[in-house]
Amino acid sequence: DAGVIQSPRHEVTEMGQEVTLRCKPISGHNSLFWYRQTMMRGLELLIYFNNNVPIDDSGMPEDRFSAKMPNASFSTLKIQPSEPRDSAVYFCASNPGTFLVNTEAFFGQGTRLTVV
Amino acid sequence: AQSVTQLDSHVSVSEGTPVLLRCNYSSSYSPSLFWYVQHPNKGLQLLLKYTSAATLVKGINGFEAEFKKSETSFHLTKPSAHMSDAAEYFCVVSEPGYALNFGKGTSLLVTP
Repeated sequence: DAGVIQSPRHEVTEMGQEVTLRCKPISGHNSLFWYRQTMMRGLELLIYFNNNVPIDDSGMPEDRFSAKMPNASFSTLKIQPSEPRDSAVYFCASNPGTFLVNTEAFFGQGTRLTVV
Repeated sequence: AQSVTQLDSHVSVSEGTPVLLRCNYSSSYSPSLFWYVQHPNKGLQLLLKYTSAATLVKGINGFEAEFKKSETSFHLTKPSAHMSDAAEYFCVVSEPGYALNFGKGTSLLVTP
């Protein structure tokens, strides 16, 4: 398996533009996570899906952020409109965990977002 | 509720000396615990994991960690540091049905 695949690896956009980050989890994994990493706040969980259903989105900063998982092999994180303070590295991760047991998460390489 | 505290934001050791990165956790259940490593401008790699089996867990690159329930600790150790160990280390706690909860990270510096 190729692991968790994120695209793009780098994104530079102007303030106010829409940004869409993409993630393909490992096949067979039924949990997917979006994290954001900044120097100031470290690694923050944004949203957690299980079997394509959002379970915990309490970490989504505000209404400008939205995430979808239309099927088991694809998820998007959208920011509209983007702001400079959204600049960060966004990680997607997946694991085969269920509500009965949790295992380690496997991370993608991340998308480095810069909003100017 | 689950949480994790990494007690040191920075640790500096000399090459060849032992490494100790400290982590305390809080959990309402029997948690799973993990250590991840992140090298500069790289993704996160699993070092080792504890999931209620043996309390002393061995990981990659000579690292190990001991789960101590009485102390709610999961400290990471390595007998002899190598220059390539310089990186950011994250302690992580997880309960079933919840996402992994990351500590703030400890930056390990290894000097020649």
